[in-house]
Amino acid sequence: KAGVTQTPRYLIKTRGQQVTLSCSPISGHRSVSWYQQTPGQGLQFLFEYFSETQRNKGNFPGRFSGRQFSNSRSEMNVSTLELGDSALYLCASSLFGLAGTGELFFGEGSRLTVL
Amino acid sequence: AQSVTQLDSQVPVFEEAPVELRCNYSSSVSVYLFWYVQYPNQGLQLLLKYLSGSTLVKGINGFEAEFNKSQTSFHLRKPSVHISDTAEYFCAVGRSGGGADGLTFGKGTHLIIQP
Repeated sequence: KAGVTQTPRYLIKTRGQQVTLSCSPISGHRSVSWYQQTPGQGLQFLFEYFSETQRNKGNFPGRFSGRQFSNSRSEMNVSTLELGDSALYLCASSLFGLAGTGELFFGEGSRLTVL
Repeated sequence: AQSVTQLDSQVPVFEEAPVELRCNYSSSVSVYLFWYVQYPNQGLQLLLKYLSGSTLVKGINGFEAEFNKSQTSFHLRKPSVHISDTAEYFCAVGRSGGGADGLTFGKGTHLIIQP
C-alpha cells in the first residue's frame, strides 16, 4: 500500500512569490491535514480537509490556503511568501481524521526555502 | 485548547541503556495521546497511542508509554536503546471524541544514542 506522497520535496522561492504544494494521501483515506515544522515553532497545525471540505484551520494568516479534490488529493498554497515561511510542510492522511482514532500517516514533507 | 510540554530538548543515552522521554500535557477536555518519531529528512511515524483503556501502551520498536491522568503525563520508555533509535521524538495530544482542530505537538526531544 503506497504511503503519503508529497511533491515537490524541495523548492526555493523568493519573497513575494507564491507556492503550491501537493499531497496524495493513502488510498482510501479521506482526511488530509497539513502541518508546518520550523526549528523555532515546532510543528503547527495549518488545516484539515475531509471529503473536500475544510473542517478547521490553525492560527495562520489568510496567505495560507488549501483545497482537496474529489480523489482526496490535497494542495496547499502560500501567497506573497515571507522569509518566515521557510519550513518543512508536512501532509498527513487518515481515514477519518480526529473524528476517528486520530492516527495520522505523514508524508516526508516539502522543504520550502524562501530567499 | 491543549498544550504539550516535552521537558527535555535533548537526551543523550549510552547504547543498551534504558531511556525515558518525558511529556506533560494540559487540556480541559478528554484527550488522545500519541508519540511520533522523526528520522532525519523524513516525515513522522507513529510509535504508539493512548485512546482509552489500559494506561500502559506498547508500541513499535520496543517502546512503551504510560498514561497518568493525575499527573497529566505520558512518558515514553524503552528498556534498552539501540543506535538506530537516534531520532527526534514528538509527543502529541488530540481532542477525543471528535473535533478537527489538529494534533498539538510538543517541541520534540532529540534522542542521542552514544556507543
